[in-house]
Amino acid sequence: NAGVMQNPRHLVRRRGQEARLRCSPMKGHSHVYWYRQLPEEGLKFMVYLQKENIIDESGMPKERFSAEFPKEGPSILRIQQVVRGDSAAYFCASSPPKGSYNEQFFGPGTRLTVL
Amino acid sequence: AQTVTQSQPEMSVQEAETVTLSCTYDTSENNYYLFWYKQPPSRQMILVIRQEAYKQQNATENRFSVNFQKAAKSFSLKISDSQLGDTAMYFCAFMKAGNQFYFGTGTSLTVIP
Repeated sequence: NAGVMQNPRHLVRRRGQEARLRCSPMKGHSHVYWYRQLPEEGLKFMVYLQKENIIDESGMPKERFSAEFPKEGPSILRIQQVVRGDSAAYFCASSPPKGSYNEQFFGPGTRLTVL
Repeated sequence: AQTVTQSQPEMSVQEAETVTLSCTYDTSENNYYLFWYKQPPSRQMILVIRQEAYKQQNATENRFSVNFQKAAKSFSLKISDSQLGDTAMYFCAFMKAGNQFYFGTGTSLTVIP
């Protein structure tokens, strides 16, 4: 059973371009979480999605950021018109359908560099 | 809101010695989970140990153990017989049941040969 997969592992964009980060959850997992890690900081929650549904986006910046988890295919975190402050590592985690406790399994992260 | 505080930005320990990393948290929840994650230079997040808040017994995983003090909202990690491979960032994290993680700012641990 492959783990959580993220691609690309490294992404370089110039200011004003769009960044699309992909996350394929573990097999059987229907919940996806996105976190952002700025340099020298811990991971900060951005958004929690189920298939075709955004459950909690309280950690997402109001502008330029969006996320989706379609019925088929990976979850996508999209950043429009990137700025230097968007440079960070973006981690995806997945968990199985809900129980009283659901461990989240992390992907290897995508490191975004904005020039 | 939940907050997690790690007051030690950096620590070092001699190989084979024991080190304790501290973590405190703040929450009004009664049912929650606490974790320690390790992030080596590869940046992969690796689960080290977890603790259910309703369990009084401290969790242990081989050389890793926790001291969970629920009333004090403290959750420290003890690493015994430190090994060079333990060198990494260590993050304490809090999770309400079925929700997202709240992470501390991390402690950079260096094991000195």
